[in-house]
Amino acid sequence: EIVLTQSPATLSLSPGERATLSCRASQSVSSYLAWYQQKPGQAPRLLIYDASNRATGIPARFSGSGSGTDFTLTISSLEPEDFAVYYCQQRSNWPPTFGPGTKVDIK
Amino acid sequence: EVQLVESGGGLVQPGGSLRLSCAASGFTFSSYAMSWVRQAPGKGLEWVSAISGSGGSTYYADSVKGRFTISRDNSKNTLYLQMNSLRAEDTAVYYCAKDRTDHRIQLWFDYWGQGTLVTVSS
Repeated sequence: EIVLTQSPATLSLSPGERATLSCRASQSVSSYLAWYQQKPGQAPRLLIYDASNRATGIPARFSGSGSGTDFTLTISSLEPEDFAVYYCQQRSNWPPTFGPGTKVDIK
Repeated sequence: EVQLVESGGGLVQPGGSLRLSCAASGFTFSSYAMSWVRQAPGKGLEWVSAISGSGGSTYYADSVKGRFTISRDNSKNTLYLQMNSLRAEDTAVYYCAKDRTDHRIQLWFDYWGQGTLVTVSS
């Protein structure tokens, strides 16, 4: 099973700042990585798939990059609604696995 | 508008059974693979099971293999998860999730239900 590690566990930033979240895989997942956002009491929302493709309706301030074992989710300028937990997920190998999440909170 | 509505959660004793349902609307249900993903209280996400659009192929996490059964009724646009031999560690919110593409199992989940809570406790 591929293990995904996310860092940092918590990121404290102010609105308008740039957020950089990291996801590292225990072995190569090629570009088969996605990012999800989850707010308290809500279901996750797909942001990015195949490492760098924005899902339908996702604002351009969200971007993904990376391949192999190292991936990054960047939020170029944080909006108030972006404070949430972010999970990465791989589908390269069975079973699909999620990272433990990075919480982006208000500084 | 795509909608996924789960039901069937509740309190069950260890060793008991429960069947979850997920009613789908707003898309051609039979064309899309579907999955169940769970989240223990205060914890992260764990993929549980997936089924192809036709229902002919099913997949399970090792943690539930042999205890849970995923199925679908495409005439009713409904996904199911039969959960047997439940354990305390199965306590979680269970989400049904739709695959993003319609031509194969891709395992990118673009729509999720609101979740249904399963609590396994005596």
